[in-house]
Amino acid sequence: GQSLEQPSEVTAVEGAIVQINCTYQTSGFYGLSWYQQHDGGAPTFLSYNALDGLEETGRFSSFLSRSDSYGYLLLQELQMKDSASYFCAVRAWNQGGKLIFGQGTELSVKP
Amino acid sequence: EAQVTQNPRYLITVTGKKLTVTCSQNMNHEYMSWYRQDPGLGLRQIYYSMNVEVTDKGDVPEGYKVSRKEKRNFPLILESPSPNQTSLYFCASSPSRAGDYGYTFGSGTRLTVV
Repeated sequence: GQSLEQPSEVTAVEGAIVQINCTYQTSGFYGLSWYQQHDGGAPTFLSYNALDGLEETGRFSSFLSRSDSYGYLLLQELQMKDSASYFCAVRAWNQGGKLIFGQGTELSVKP
Repeated sequence: EAQVTQNPRYLITVTGKKLTVTCSQNMNHEYMSWYRQDPGLGLRQIYYSMNVEVTDKGDVPEGYKVSRKEKRNFPLILESPSPNQTSLYFCASSPSRAGDYGYTFGSGTRLTVV
């Protein structure tokens, strides 16, 4: 089967840097994506890594290592509004492009 | 504005009473999908569609039906809802099945079946 594992909760303080890890077991996929969700609202797309390496978008960066079946989302200069759930996801080659999500990591940013 | 529109946002219904949750996107996306989100279980795919008249089951299709008669619309039908279908539902669309384009999600439908 295919699965993605993330920590369930992470806590950090305003202004700090936090890394949310995602390890996966999947036979083939297009790349690793990250989504943010606030309080049961619509998940919003943050980033996508098709190739190994680091992708940077403002305060957020995402990393993928296919050889290690591992990726992470790095959030810098944390703000209170970054408190949300973060999901890693992959799109499987052999399942019609189905987007498979991890269980999500709830990030709490404290003052 | 590019968006995915779901209706209704909230719905309380009784067991066995057929209902439809509508989903419409204005981005000409080929790929559409329905997810349900439950505490501790994350987002699980119910059905997906790769184009008009092309639909397939996701991970939890039991008790649901879909149709894709037009590219923009992808309704979710619960023929005989049961309490275990109480959940938060999301419709999503994407330009293609590949991963480089993110999904755009609707605002969600919170369904309670009593």
